[in-house]
Amino acid sequence: KNQVEQSPQSLIILEGKNCTLQCNYTVSPFSNLRWYKQDTGRGPVSLTIMTFSENTKSNGRYTATLDADTKQSSLHITASQLSDSASYICVVSASNNNNDMRFGAGTRLTVKP
Amino acid sequence: NAGVTQTPKFRILKIGQSMTLQCTQDMNHNYMYWYRQDPGMGLKLIYYSVGAGITDKGEVPNGYNVSRSTTEDFPLRLELAAPSQTSVYFCASSYPRGGPQETQYFGPGTRLLVL
Repeated sequence: KNQVEQSPQSLIILEGKNCTLQCNYTVSPFSNLRWYKQDTGRGPVSLTIMTFSENTKSNGRYTATLDADTKQSSLHITASQLSDSASYICVVSASNNNNDMRFGAGTRLTVKP
Repeated sequence: NAGVTQTPKFRILKIGQSMTLQCTQDMNHNYMYWYRQDPGMGLKLIYYSVGAGITDKGEVPNGYNVSRSTTEDFPLRLELAAPSQTSVYFCASSYPRGGPQETQYFGPGTRLLVL
């Protein structure tokens, strides 16, 4: 079964600190992996999209990595800000079905002053 | 562009009632999607559409219906509301699969409570 597992479920860090969120998946055959940020009460917003051949992609203070061999991805947030408080969702797409996108349950990040 | 808009923002339904969740996008996207998000769970695909006049079932379609008469609109219909349909519903749109334009754009969500 195609699954996406994220860890930790929740994380609290102090403003200015760095953190790394993890995503493990079993989706196969792999097409791409995305990270979304979802603020409370809002819809998800795309941060990065990576295909099989990409192993790092950055978007400002957000850097995503992908290891397609071990089926793992991480999202690293540098110099966290209060506005980074949100849920971060990992989404993996299968290449054999145009709309087989599997969503992780998300990591809830809280940045405290 | 307004992006993806959804109405209503919040609704309370009684068991057995029906309602339509509205979704409109002004980005001329071919693909549109409906998801539900339950607490502590990942989003699950209810229905999707690859263009006007074409719809298909997702992972959890039971109890829902959709139509796609125009490129812009993709309403989701609940015919006989059940407590299990209490959730937050998100509509999304995107260009066809493949390439950097594959990003999905989500609406703000509709919170539905069935009592």
